[in-house]
Amino acid sequence: NAGVTQTPKFRVLKTGQSMTLLCAQDMNHEYMYWYRQDPGMGLRLIHYSVGEGTTAKGEVPDGYNVSRLKKQNFLLGLESAAPSQTSVYFCASRRQGTGQPQHFGDGTRLSIL
Amino acid sequence: GIQVEQSPPDLILQEGANSTLRCNFSDSVNNLQWFHQNPWGQLINLFYIPSGTKQNGRLSATTVATERYSLLYISSSQTTDSGVYFCAVENTDKLIFGTGTRLQVFP
Repeated sequence: NAGVTQTPKFRVLKTGQSMTLLCAQDMNHEYMYWYRQDPGMGLRLIHYSVGEGTTAKGEVPDGYNVSRLKKQNFLLGLESAAPSQTSVYFCASRRQGTGQPQHFGDGTRLSIL
Repeated sequence: GIQVEQSPPDLILQEGANSTLRCNFSDSVNNLQWFHQNPWGQLINLFYIPSGTKQNGRLSATTVATERYSLLYISSSQTTDSGVYFCAVENTDKLIFGTGTRLQVFP
Protein backbone atom coordinates (compact mmCIF):
# COMPACT_ATOMS: atom_id res chain seq x y z
CA ASN A 1 0.00 0.00 0.00
CA ALA A 2 2.67 2.50 -1.10
CA GLY A 3 0.44 5.41 -2.23
CA VAL A 4 2.69 8.27 -3.41
CA THR A 5 6.44 7.62 -3.33
CA GLN A 6 9.09 10.29 -3.84
CA THR A 7 12.71 9.62 -4.77
CA PRO A 8 15.18 10.70 -3.43
CA LYS A 9 14.29 11.77 0.14
CA PHE A 10 17.34 14.05 0.51
CA ARG A 11 19.80 15.59 -1.90
CA VAL A 12 22.52 18.22 -1.83
CA LEU A 13 23.49 19.91 -5.08
CA LYS A 14 25.96 22.54 -6.13
CA THR A 15 24.77 25.64 -7.97
CA GLY A 16 24.45 24.92 -11.68
CA GLN A 17 24.00 21.16 -11.36
CA SER A 18 20.94 19.45 -12.73
CA MET A 19 18.77 16.75 -11.25
CA THR A 20 15.41 15.02 -11.54
CA LEU A 21 12.97 14.22 -8.75
CA LEU A 22 10.74 11.23 -9.29
CA CYS A 23 7.17 10.83 -8.07
CA ALA A 24 5.39 7.51 -8.43
CA GLN A 25 1.81 6.66 -7.48
CA ASP A 26 0.13 3.27 -7.48
CA MET A 27 -3.48 4.43 -7.13
CA ASN A 28 -4.15 4.86 -10.86
CA HIS A 29 -4.79 8.57 -10.30
CA GLU A 30 -5.15 10.82 -13.32
CA TYR A 31 -3.96 14.06 -11.72
CA MET A 32 -0.48 14.66 -10.29
CA TYR A 33 1.14 17.74 -8.73
CA TRP A 34 4.50 19.11 -7.65
CA TYR A 35 4.70 21.63 -4.79
CA ARG A 36 7.50 23.36 -2.93
CA GLN A 37 7.46 24.37 0.72
CA ASP A 38 9.74 27.06 2.06
CA PRO A 39 10.32 27.69 5.79
CA GLY A 40 7.29 29.10 7.58
CA MET A 41 5.07 28.86 4.54
CA GLY A 42 2.39 26.69 3.06
CA LEU A 43 2.91 24.67 -0.09
CA ARG A 44 3.02 26.40 -3.45
CA LEU A 45 2.19 24.68 -6.73
CA ILE A 46 5.03 24.39 -9.27
CA HIS A 47 3.51 22.31 -12.08
CA TYR A 48 0.72 19.80 -12.42
CA SER A 49 -0.66 17.24 -14.84
CA VAL A 50 -4.24 16.18 -15.52
CA GLY A 51 -3.25 13.13 -17.52
CA GLU A 52 -0.49 11.21 -19.23
CA GLY A 53 1.35 13.42 -21.71
CA THR A 54 -0.10 16.69 -20.35
CA THR A 55 1.44 19.27 -18.03
CA ALA A 56 0.53 22.78 -16.91
CA LYS A 57 2.17 25.60 -14.96
CA GLY A 58 1.28 26.38 -11.39
CA GLU A 59 2.05 29.37 -9.20
CA VAL A 60 5.89 29.14 -9.21
CA PRO A 61 7.02 27.30 -12.38
CA ASP A 62 10.19 29.22 -13.27
CA GLY A 63 13.39 27.18 -13.20
CA TYR A 64 11.58 23.83 -13.32
CA ASN A 65 10.44 21.44 -16.01
CA VAL A 66 8.18 18.41 -15.73
CA SER A 67 7.23 15.35 -17.72
CA ARG A 68 4.41 12.81 -17.47
CA LEU A 69 5.33 10.07 -19.90
CA LYS A 70 3.60 7.37 -17.86
CA LYS A 71 0.38 7.72 -15.90
CA GLN A 72 1.96 6.56 -12.67
CA ASN A 73 5.06 8.80 -12.80
CA PHE A 74 5.58 12.56 -12.66
CA LEU A 75 9.13 13.89 -12.98
CA LEU A 76 10.35 17.29 -11.79
CA GLY A 77 13.57 18.58 -13.32
CA LEU A 78 15.95 21.32 -12.30
CA GLU A 79 18.15 22.13 -15.32
CA SER A 80 20.53 24.51 -13.54
CA ALA A 81 19.99 24.51 -9.80
CA ALA A 82 20.07 27.81 -7.89
CA PRO A 83 20.25 28.43 -4.12
CA SER A 84 16.73 29.91 -4.29
CA GLN A 85 15.49 26.42 -5.16
CA THR A 86 16.55 25.07 -1.78
CA SER A 87 13.26 23.79 -0.43
CA VAL A 88 11.19 20.74 0.47
CA TYR A 89 9.38 19.34 -2.54
CA PHE A 90 6.11 17.46 -2.27
CA CYS A 91 4.31 15.40 -4.87
CA ALA A 92 0.59 14.65 -4.77
CA SER A 93 -1.98 12.81 -6.82
CA ARG A 94 -5.75 12.53 -6.99
CA ARG A 95 -8.55 10.99 -8.98
CA GLN A 96 -10.14 12.85 -11.84
CA GLY A 97 -13.37 14.66 -11.02
CA THR A 98 -14.65 17.53 -8.94
CA GLY A 99 -13.65 17.66 -5.31
CA GLN A 100 -11.40 14.61 -5.09
CA PRO A 101 -8.86 14.76 -2.20
CA GLN A 102 -5.17 14.97 -2.94
CA HIS A 103 -2.78 12.37 -1.50
CA PHE A 104 0.77 13.47 -0.68
CA GLY A 105 4.18 11.86 -0.64
CA ASP A 106 6.63 12.30 2.25
CA GLY A 107 8.64 15.01 0.53
CA THR A 108 12.16 15.50 -0.85
CA ARG A 109 14.50 17.84 1.03
CA LEU A 110 16.76 19.56 -1.51
CA SER A 111 19.67 21.82 -0.58
CA ILE A 112 21.59 23.80 -3.18
CA LEU A 113 24.94 25.22 -2.15
CA GLY B 1 -6.73 34.09 -7.34
CA ILE B 2 -8.37 32.60 -4.30
CA GLN B 3 -6.98 33.68 -0.92
CA VAL B 4 -6.75 31.38 2.12
CA GLU B 5 -6.21 32.81 5.59
CA GLN B 6 -5.65 30.78 8.73
CA SER B 7 -5.85 31.90 12.33
CA PRO B 8 -4.27 32.01 14.77
CA PRO B 9 -0.76 31.78 13.30
CA ASP B 10 0.60 30.31 16.53
CA LEU B 11 -1.04 28.49 19.40
CA ILE B 12 0.48 27.20 22.63
CA LEU B 13 -1.53 24.81 24.77
CA GLN B 14 -1.12 22.68 27.82
CA GLU B 15 -1.94 19.02 27.41
CA GLY B 16 -5.66 18.39 27.84
CA ALA B 17 -6.83 21.76 26.56
CA ASN B 18 -9.21 22.24 23.63
CA SER B 19 -8.63 24.49 20.64
CA THR B 20 -10.28 25.79 17.49
CA LEU B 21 -8.39 26.63 14.30
CA ARG B 22 -10.02 28.72 11.61
CA CYS B 23 -9.65 28.86 7.82
CA ASN B 24 -11.25 31.63 5.74
CA PHE B 25 -11.29 31.54 1.96
CA SER B 26 -12.23 34.21 -0.55
CA ASP B 27 -14.20 32.31 -3.21
CA SER B 28 -16.34 29.22 -3.71
CA VAL B 29 -14.41 25.95 -3.65
CA ASN B 30 -14.86 22.36 -4.79
CA ASN B 31 -12.69 20.85 -2.13
CA LEU B 32 -11.25 21.70 1.28
CA GLN B 33 -8.69 19.61 3.09
CA TRP B 34 -7.09 19.90 6.53
CA PHE B 35 -3.56 18.59 6.98
CA HIS B 36 -1.26 18.09 9.94
CA GLN B 37 2.43 18.48 9.22
CA ASN B 38 4.29 16.58 11.90
CA PRO B 39 7.75 17.49 13.24
CA TRP B 40 9.30 15.16 10.65
CA GLY B 41 7.73 17.16 7.84
CA GLN B 42 5.16 14.60 6.74
CA LEU B 43 1.78 15.87 5.62
CA ILE B 44 -0.99 13.87 7.23
CA ASN B 45 -4.39 14.13 5.61
CA LEU B 46 -6.89 14.86 8.42
CA PHE B 47 -10.12 15.70 6.66
CA TYR B 48 -11.55 16.12 3.23
CA ILE B 49 -14.48 18.40 3.98
CA PRO B 50 -15.88 20.71 1.27
CA SER B 51 -19.01 21.15 3.41
CA GLY B 52 -20.64 19.83 6.56
CA THR B 53 -19.13 18.30 9.68
CA LYS B 54 -16.86 15.30 10.19
CA GLN B 55 -15.31 13.75 13.26
CA ASN B 56 -12.33 11.48 13.72
CA GLY B 57 -11.53 10.69 17.33
CA ARG B 58 -10.52 13.87 19.17
CA LEU B 59 -10.56 15.90 15.98
CA SER B 60 -13.55 17.29 14.16
CA ALA B 61 -14.03 19.78 11.35
CA THR B 62 -16.86 21.91 10.08
CA THR B 63 -17.03 23.75 6.77
CA VAL B 64 -19.69 26.36 6.05
CA ALA B 65 -19.21 26.75 2.32
CA THR B 66 -21.81 29.51 1.92
CA GLU B 67 -19.92 31.66 4.43
CA ARG B 68 -16.48 30.59 3.17
CA TYR B 69 -14.88 29.28 6.31
CA SER B 70 -13.87 26.05 7.96
CA LEU B 71 -13.06 25.20 11.58
CA LEU B 72 -10.85 22.44 12.96
CA TYR B 73 -11.51 21.42 16.57
CA ILE B 74 -8.94 19.62 18.65
CA SER B 75 -10.18 18.32 21.98
CA SER B 76 -8.11 17.04 24.91
CA SER B 77 -4.89 17.96 23.11
CA GLN B 78 -1.82 15.74 23.42
CA THR B 79 1.86 16.47 22.84
CA THR B 80 1.67 14.39 19.66
CA ASP B 81 -0.75 16.98 18.25
CA SER B 82 2.12 19.45 17.97
CA GLY B 83 3.06 20.59 14.49
CA VAL B 84 1.61 22.81 11.80
CA TYR B 85 -2.00 22.56 10.65
CA PHE B 86 -2.75 23.58 7.08
CA CYS B 87 -6.01 24.29 5.39
CA ALA B 88 -6.06 23.95 1.59
CA VAL B 89 -8.87 24.73 -0.83
CA GLU B 90 -9.35 23.75 -4.42
CA ASN B 91 -11.07 25.17 -7.41
CA THR B 92 -9.98 24.73 -11.05
CA ASP B 93 -8.06 21.52 -10.18
CA LYS B 94 -5.46 23.24 -7.97
CA LEU B 95 -5.02 23.26 -4.19
CA ILE B 96 -4.24 26.61 -2.58
CA PHE B 97 -2.68 26.37 0.87
CA GLY B 98 -2.95 28.74 3.78
CA THR B 99 0.16 29.66 5.74
CA GLY B 100 -0.77 27.34 8.59
CA THR B 101 -1.28 27.39 12.36
CA ARG B 102 1.70 26.25 14.38
CA LEU B 103 0.52 24.34 17.45
CA GLN B 104 2.71 23.51 20.41
CA VAL B 105 1.30 21.29 23.14
CA PHE B 106 3.27 21.10 26.39
CA PRO B 107 2.89 18.39 29.05
